[in-house]
Amino acid sequence: GAGVSQSPSNKVTEKGKDVELRCDPISGHTALYWYRQSLGQGLEFLIYFQGNSAPDKSGLPSDRFSAERTGGSVSTLTIQRTQQEDSAVYLCASSWGGVRAYNEQFFGPGTRLTVL
Amino acid sequence: TQLLEQSPQFLSIQEGENLTVYCNSSSVFSSLQWYRQEPGEGPVLLVTVVTGGEVKKLKRLTFQFGDARKDSSLHITAAQPGDTGLYLCAGRPRNRDDKIIFGKGTRLHILP
Repeated sequence: GAGVSQSPSNKVTEKGKDVELRCDPISGHTALYWYRQSLGQGLEFLIYFQGNSAPDKSGLPSDRFSAERTGGSVSTLTIQRTQQEDSAVYLCASSWGGVRAYNEQFFGPGTRLTVL
Repeated sequence: TQLLEQSPQFLSIQEGENLTVYCNSSSVFSSLQWYRQEPGEGPVLLVTVVTGGEVKKLKRLTFQFGDARKDSSLHITAAQPGDTGLYLCAGRPRNRDDKIIFGKGTRLHILP
């Protein structure tokens, strides 16, 4: 079956440009997460969607970052006026949702963003 | 701020050796997970531990959750080149179990 997919796999952009990163979660998964992983670092939580609830945006580093999830499925992470420090791999994960202690997150392969 | 500290950050050992990596915190977690990430891919779940003192085995990998649910360890017996990767621990804090916190990982390299 299909796993989590992300596009594009690589994105090179110039400083100041806007970028959109897409995530297609596993069908039926109600929870969707975005993380950022800088070189040699762990995963930094960005935002979490659960069903129709208001998203948890507490991890977004600035107001240049926003995300939407349409129809409870596909999600788009938008970074406006990109800066060089935004360069990282952006990972999306989905799960069956809720706050059950043992939900497994299924990760996509990530989008590698490079801001020149 | 709840942090998960992983150690060592880097480990390079010969095939066939044993190793242990650690995930420590001053906070209590309701559950803790270990993931392995290979280059160019997303992390993949290895195990979830929920009960203090719990030990789980996955072939040559042994995972332990501390009695106080503040720490965990991953022990690999007779390491193989296929074990190479970034090992991440992730926990749900007991007081905020809608959150998942990741450690920075241990980068493991097994030399053939």
